[in-house]
Amino acid sequence: DTGVSQDPRHKITKRGQNVTFRCDPISEHNRLYWYRQTLGQGPEFLTYFQNEAQLEKSRLLSDRFSAERPKGSFSTLEIQRTEQGDSAMYLCASSLVPWDLGYTFGSGTRLTVV
Amino acid sequence: QKEVEQDPGPLSVPEGAIVSLNCTYSNSAFQYFMWYRQYSRKGPELLMYTYSSGNKEDGRFTAQVDKSSKYISLFIRDSQPSDSATYLCAMSAEGGSEKLVFGKGTKLTVNP
Repeated sequence: DTGVSQDPRHKITKRGQNVTFRCDPISEHNRLYWYRQTLGQGPEFLTYFQNEAQLEKSRLLSDRFSAERPKGSFSTLEIQRTEQGDSAMYLCASSLVPWDLGYTFGSGTRLTVV
Repeated sequence: QKEVEQDPGPLSVPEGAIVSLNCTYSNSAFQYFMWYRQYSRKGPELLMYTYSSGNKEDGRFTAQVDKSSKYISLFIRDSQPSDSATYLCAMSAEGGSEKLVFGKGTKLTVNP
């Protein structure tokens, strides 16, 4: 297992377009998190899954954002009608609960909305 | 007031220096404290993890937590150019594998 994989690494899109990102977690990890990181800031929580169930969604996440984790394996994060303010690094992380060993992050997907 | 405050720096030191990085927090429920290191264009990687108050040492790295002051620190001894990265503090009320609140990060450059 090579860790958490995210695809694509970079995405440039025009304002108003929809984009979808994929995250493949470490296979035995049951938790999957999405965070967003803008320049000069720390990662900000968006949502998380335990297996296939989405357990929490940040109030900062507008209705244009949706995430899924079908069958508790990979996850997708979709942003509809992108805005320039959506430009950021989208980070996926996975962990194994109840074993409290911390997260493994992927390298992120950098989104630029023009 | 943000839940976690971290001086973003940047911090520039000569090789071999002792580096001190700090975060303060306001949420008394935080009990789990982490330091992540993030290299440019990469995701954060877990560096140190401590529970409640006290010190933890791992090689050249020492993490300290003072819950009474709501203050955590990371010390790097004999700093190396390879330590040049952004250091993020992170905290949780429920565990290191639960939802985390991150600081802004401090960008460190170690000059050879």
